[in-house]
Amino acid sequence: DGGITQSPKYLFRKEGQNVTLSCEQNLNHDAMYWYRQDPGQGLRLIYYSQIVNDFQKGDIAEGYSVSREKKESFPLTVTSAQKNPTAFYLCASSIGPRRSGTEAFFGQGTRLTVV
Amino acid sequence: LAKTTQPISMDSYEGQEVNITCSHNNIATNDYITWYQQFPSQGPRFIIQGYKTKVTNEVASLFIPADRKSSTLSLPRVSLSDTAVYYCLVGTTSTGGGNKLTFGTGTQLKVEL
Repeated sequence: DGGITQSPKYLFRKEGQNVTLSCEQNLNHDAMYWYRQDPGQGLRLIYYSQIVNDFQKGDIAEGYSVSREKKESFPLTVTSAQKNPTAFYLCASSIGPRRSGTEAFFGQGTRLTVV
Repeated sequence: LAKTTQPISMDSYEGQEVNITCSHNNIATNDYITWYQQFPSQGPRFIIQGYKTKVTNEVASLFIPADRKSSTLSLPRVSLSDTAVYYCLVGTTSTGGGNKLTFGTGTQLKVEL
């Protein structure tokens, strides 16, 4: 089935360690996004990419890094510089510049807990 | 993307129609209006999208006045399972130069018996 897959669903890490969250899509979408969601809050944009080998910072990029080497994949690394990394992370994709509108498809999320 | 304003929360009862309004005073000519639904610990799900007047699908209707400075998501005959957060987005992904999908805080809808 076509869709967007995030893994793992739950992730535990020790403070000070970098951790990489996976996001893969087989929808042939150009655009991909990473969001962070804290309890009771809305989604905040971390990074987004409109095309392979290109990405832009969102509203809360500090302490995070991404890569977009393949159209299907947009991994997010939470670095030790991120002061409060425990959160629910969501990846999304959309067709991108080829089509108007803002319809995006989301993965099921990764809940990261740093201890 | 145009900034949006929604009520923080709404309460309703099963079987009632619920209307959630979103304000977007600085909407641009090319912008579309899109609504998403999110359940706890899940990613948001696309509900409906429109540009002007009225759009209807199997789950909701979207009403957009002529000036497009606001929009109203209408959920007919809600049930307990419609309890969720609803987000309104305004913008387009068709323009180049790095288009963001920025979500606001959304509206928490609570449906009771």
